[in-house]
Amino acid sequence: GAVVSQHPSWVICKSGTSVKIECRSLDFQATTMFWYRQFPKQSLMLMATSNEGSKATYEQGVEKDKFLINHASLTLSTLTVTSAHPEDSSFYICSARVSVKIKGQGPLNTGELFFGEGSRLTVL
Amino acid sequence: AQKITQTQPGMFVQEKEAVTLDCTYDTSDQSYGLFWYKQPSSGEMIFLIYQGSYDEQNATEGRYSLNFQKARKSANLVISASQLGDSAMYFCAMRERGGKLIFGQGTELSVKP
Repeated sequence: GAVVSQHPSWVICKSGTSVKIECRSLDFQATTMFWYRQFPKQSLMLMATSNEGSKATYEQGVEKDKFLINHASLTLSTLTVTSAHPEDSSFYICSARVSVKIKGQGPLNTGELFFGEGSRLTVL
Repeated sequence: AQKITQTQPGMFVQEKEAVTLDCTYDTSDQSYGLFWYKQPSSGEMIFLIYQGSYDEQNATEGRYSLNFQKARKSANLVISASQLGDSAMYFCAMRERGGKLIFGQGTELSVKP
């Protein structure tokens, strides 16, 4: 099936540093990607909608200056956690919506949604 | 506002038995989509099954079936012949306009040998 790759899968950083997480669609182009945050044993909470070529749309309560989102190409969105603190430690997961499938990659429906493997961030 | 509710934080089932995970939703939209995902301890989200609001038949995918009761706004997941590998978190989700998914609180399923 279609693959969405997230990198890194886990990262440990010191408080005050910035961390960048990449979300890449490998089999298709995605003009829209979504970033979620998940604390242990809790649900996925949508942080923002990432739109290729335009500014991300943030959910209420999410600090846009804290969580920078850049959707620079049709296959890549990045989430940067700036000046990370221990309370930012969490599991971050992206999903990408198929806008155009890449030829030869099998059946993919426009609008179909695929998740990355997630990135576990620990801030010391 | 749209809302998804899963009222079972944890469920136990004996191996080879069937289990039903509950999900209710609230929306004012006429057209919507409902999803179930499995999340093992590794964290990846595994798509299980999808039900469109206009689908007349209940969705089925192998051992998974969705008991869709539109009037009651419920979309329960039924897993038949449970296996040890089914132990995981299960999330019900609804697709909003714009394509984003909103998730329920999740149910942790434990399959006992």
